[in-house]
Amino acid sequence: AQSVTQPDIHITVSEGASLELRCNYSYGATPYLFWYVQSPGQGLQLLLKYFSGDTLVQGIKGFEAEFKRSQSSFNLRKPSVHWSDAAEYFCAVGPVGYKYIFGTGTRLKVLA
Amino acid sequence: KAGVTQTPRYLIKTRGQQVTLSCSPISGHRSVSWYQQTPGQGLQFLFEYFSETQRNKGNFPGRFSGRQFSNSRSEMNVSTLELGDSALYLCASSWGQGANTGELFFGEGSRLTVL
Repeated sequence: AQSVTQPDIHITVSEGASLELRCNYSYGATPYLFWYVQSPGQGLQLLLKYFSGDTLVQGIKGFEAEFKRSQSSFNLRKPSVHWSDAAEYFCAVGPVGYKYIFGTGTRLKVLA
Repeated sequence: KAGVTQTPRYLIKTRGQQVTLSCSPISGHRSVSWYQQTPGQGLQFLFEYFSETQRNKGNFPGRFSGRQFSNSRSEMNVSTLELGDSALYLCASSWGQGANTGELFFGEGSRLTVL
């Protein structure tokens, strides 16, 4: 069955440090993959997406992610975290019959 | 270009009541999806509509229903509310053409509290 796993529920990093959020998926074919960010009280904003082609994907706000088929992973990275990056991050995979499956999210805390 | 608009943003209901939530998609988008977000369960898919047709439905009881109008606006209804229905209900729109919905654009959600 298709699924998405975000192993880290909470992550705390210092401002200026690098960041990597993990996402592992189970899917029968090459999936569409997404990372979304959600600030408190807000909806989800798309950070980046992978449909096909280059496995290193650049997104907004300085984020990037790498699709690794052999590891069934799509980890999100940022070289230097800003305090405004504190939010919850969701990985999503699909399509599965006109829907996407979301991970349970990773809440990022940034220390000044 | 206006984004996805959801109304109301916040509402409080009591058990047994019903609620209707509204979603206006981005202009030109014909697919509207609904998700329920709770702290313990994350985002759970409710249903997806394209050109007034429900193409997929999640694993929710029949108390949860939806519809889409000819202008692509969508509503979802929850009848006989239960405490466990308290959640953030998110609507997302997309082009919807082809075999999948494509990239989802989310609204800010409707936060429902059931007392």
